Amino acid sequence: GAGVSQSPSNKVTEKGKDVELRCDPISGHTALYWYRQSLGQGLEFLIYFQGNSAPDKSGLPSDRFSAERTGGSVSTLTIQRTQQEDSAVYLCASSTPRSGTDTQYFGPGTRLTVL
Amino acid sequence: GNSVTQMEGPVTLSEEAFLTINCTYTATGYPSLFWYVQYPGEGLQLLLKATKADDKGSNKGFEATYRKETTSFHLEKGSVQVSDSAVYFCALRTGGGNKLTFGTGTQLKVEL
Repeated sequence: GAGVSQSPSNKVTEKGKDVELRCDPISGHTALYWYRQSLGQGLEFLIYFQGNSAPDKSGLPSDRFSAERTGGSVSTLTIQRTQQEDSAVYLCASSTPRSGTDTQYFGPGTRLTVL
Repeated sequence: GNSVTQMEGPVTLSEEAFLTINCTYTATGYPSLFWYVQYPGEGLQLLLKATKADDKGSNKGFEATYRKETTSFHLEKGSVQVSDSAVYFCALRTGGGNKLTFGTGTQLKVEL
């Protein structure tokens, strides 16, 4: 079956521009996560959506970062006024949380380069 | 807070050598522990997991045992292959939360 898909696979932008990254989770998965993988910081949690609950935004590094999940499926991560330190691979994952058995399935990522 | 510490790479081995990648953790509560693998040009894939103390996760010849007394989850394989060349990430998730906390990753290079 289809896995988690992300688009675009690569994005090059100029400093100060806004970017939108898209994630399509596995059908039926109620939980969706965004992570960032960068050279200096490793893999960092950004934000988590679960069903209709308020998202856990505790990992967002600044108010330039925001994310939405429409209709409980597709999610968009938006970075406003991009900075060079935002350059990273942005990973999306989805899961069907059950106590003790939650496995997150990752997409291929979007490589963002801010010039 | 939660944290995961992995041995730094790259680790370079000859084919058929024994592999150990160390992972230790600090966590509140009783975490579930995971190893993820990222092959060149591919996304993160779950390799194995263990959800409670003394559990052993295994997959593709890799094993890791959840050691509560040493707060460790070391990854081992008896005989590595060139196709095992990848970056390996140790991660944890605590029972009340959902996000994964990752180690920095260990690159493994296996040569003929």
